[in-house]
Amino acid sequence: EVQLLESGGGLVQPGGSLRLSCAASGFTFSSYAMSWVRQAPGKGLEWVSAISGSGGSTYYADSVKGRFTISRDNSKNTLYLQMNSLRAEDTAVYYCAKDRGSGSCSICYYFDYWGQGTLVTVSS
Amino acid sequence: EIVLTQSPATLSLSPGERATLSCRASQSVSSYLAWYQQKPGQAPRLLIYDASNRATGIPARFSGSGSGTDFTLTISSLEPEDFAVYYCQQRSNWPPLGSTFGPGTKVDIK
Repeated sequence: EVQLLESGGGLVQPGGSLRLSCAASGFTFSSYAMSWVRQAPGKGLEWVSAISGSGGSTYYADSVKGRFTISRDNSKNTLYLQMNSLRAEDTAVYYCAKDRGSGSCSICYYFDYWGQGTLVTVSS
Repeated sequence: EIVLTQSPATLSLSPGERATLSCRASQSVSSYLAWYQQKPGQAPRLLIYDASNRATGIPARFSGSGSGTDFTLTISSLEPEDFAVYYCQQRSNWPPLGSTFGPGTKVDIK
């Protein structure tokens, strides 16, 4: 059974930093791209960042480029999101999501499994 | 950036009725479009990918169609568990630069 378990959320002041983790199990972690998707309270979904299975390719939404860094440790089956220079508008539930994968795309951006989410609140 | 527009914002229907949800892209996304269902307090669930392919375990009452800029999610006969918010999502093909979601359509009980 595929499981994704996020951790690391919490309350942080504007300008602060936070690192989210996502522990994966139930599939061959290194074979799949992974993404972070966030959802502000009462709002819709926003893709944040993606990383290839090897970790060699990373992509970011313009809203977080230069502030957030995605990474993974395939030996620990864990995905990370380092968030710096946090702003009030970064307040959201952050989900890690497994890429469905396909032979035709290195990162397909179709998310077939999601974690339960971790809440990040940026406020003074 | 490709912008997705979903209509209507809210769809009020009764169980057993047919639901037709629309998603329009600001420029062609070919068939690189997915649909997700989200219930309150839960993570989204992938329903449809590549515009018309049902994801694993998704009931046949869910179907997707369209290509280019206009897409439709159809629920042939609403079950009580289908009342939720539905999001469309597009992805860039190559290079795989990213993805965007539509604002969502809420399907509620009439």
